[in-house]
Amino acid sequence: KAGVTQTPRYLIKTRGQQVTLSCSPISGHRSVSWYQQTPGQGLQFLFEYFSETQRNKGNFPGRFSGRQFSNSRSEMNVSTLELGDSALYLCASSLGDRGDEQYFGPGTRLTVT
Amino acid sequence: KNQVEQSPQSLIILEGKNCTLQCNYTVSPFSNLRWYKQDTGRGPVSLTIMTFSENTKSNGRYTATLDADTKQSSLHITASQLSDSASYICVVSKNTDKLIFGTGTRLQVFP
Repeated sequence: KAGVTQTPRYLIKTRGQQVTLSCSPISGHRSVSWYQQTPGQGLQFLFEYFSETQRNKGNFPGRFSGRQFSNSRSEMNVSTLELGDSALYLCASSLGDRGDEQYFGPGTRLTVT
Repeated sequence: KNQVEQSPQSLIILEGKNCTLQCNYTVSPFSNLRWYKQDTGRGPVSLTIMTFSENTKSNGRYTATLDADTKQSSLHITASQLSDSASYICVVSKNTDKLIFGTGTRLQVFP
């Protein structure tokens, strides 16, 4: 079974631009969660999508948004990029029930200059 | 406040030696605790997951313990290998499914 894939793997953007990251979950998984990882803050939860609906949300500004498609693939969008948005963005998929194991993708390394 | 604290922040050991990483949490209500290994430039990979009633769980050379009364967990690595060099992240789940992440312990194993 193929693992979680994320594209692109690396991205460089300038302040004020917007960016869209993509995540393809493991086949059969219906839940996709997004995380931001920075050296100082560790992993921080952005949001979770299940069956095309946002099920949980972390404490990030509205510039961060996401969506999930009917095939469970998910996209995350960040508008009006700031230098502080530079981070590794990870997505994780699971079957979707409480306590199910999450499987992480390799991440997208975003650098904002 | 729901927090997960890990210690030490970083650790250097020689190949073949054992080591123990610590995780203390104040998350409530508690659902489960997971340990992840994250190699540089890669996503985290699950090592163990323990519920309230489990005290110990092993995965090869990795053994995790949980004391739900004192809200402490440890990850013991036996006979370390160079490939064990990674960050180890403790994650505690609330009953609401919200995951609280520790900032990790950076382990370096030298030959």
